[in-house]
Amino acid sequence: NAGVTQTPKFQVLKTGQSMTLQCAQDMNHEYMSWYRQDPGMGLRLIHYSVGAGITDQGEVPNGYNVSRSTTEDFPLRLLSAAPSQTSVYFCASRVDGYNSPLHFGNGTRLTVT
Amino acid sequence: GNSVTQMEGPVTLSEEAFLTINCTYTATGYPSLFWYVQYPGEGLQLLLKATKADDKGSNKGFEATYRKETTSFHLEKGSVQVSDSAVYFCALTSMDSSYKLIFGSGTRLLVRP
Repeated sequence: NAGVTQTPKFQVLKTGQSMTLQCAQDMNHEYMSWYRQDPGMGLRLIHYSVGAGITDQGEVPNGYNVSRSTTEDFPLRLLSAAPSQTSVYFCASRVDGYNSPLHFGNGTRLTVT
Repeated sequence: GNSVTQMEGPVTLSEEAFLTINCTYTATGYPSLFWYVQYPGEGLQLLLKATKADDKGSNKGFEATYRKETTSFHLEKGSVQVSDSAVYFCALTSMDSSYKLIFGSGTRLLVRP
């Protein structure tokens, strides 16, 4: 039972490069989300999706794009990386409902030089 | 708006000491409240939750009570172990249609043998 799988675990980019962080879940969860974790700031929501074909912005969406073509996958795209995007990125999913806990992947550590 | 405030860390305790990590929140409506734990190099895991006033969540010896009158959800454990060393996050569910999870900044706990 894999849960939420994120790839890659580590990535180094140069300023201006683009890349996609992958996230897949095998629990048939409708809700999926991306957070970034920075020291002293907790986790901040980037984008989220309540089902295939539906996405919305979170607290810090600028510089990131998402799409949700299937229930299982929710990739996060950085179109032109900036040093301010150096962070640890977490994908999380849950069943519908505000009482349901989030299930997290193990994160992607991204460094932009 | 919705927000979560946690006590700053790190919190350093000796094994078998009593633990309290303070958490207060600001929210509209009646949010669900959560504690998550993050071990080094891993994603966040749900530790416990409470969904209405005066509910007590508990798991692995940890407890927290949903106090609406003081808008608090403090985490407690009677006797900590070295293996409890981790970062602890308090969180609430926003009560708009997205049911986004909003996190505090996290509190690092270090337990010494």
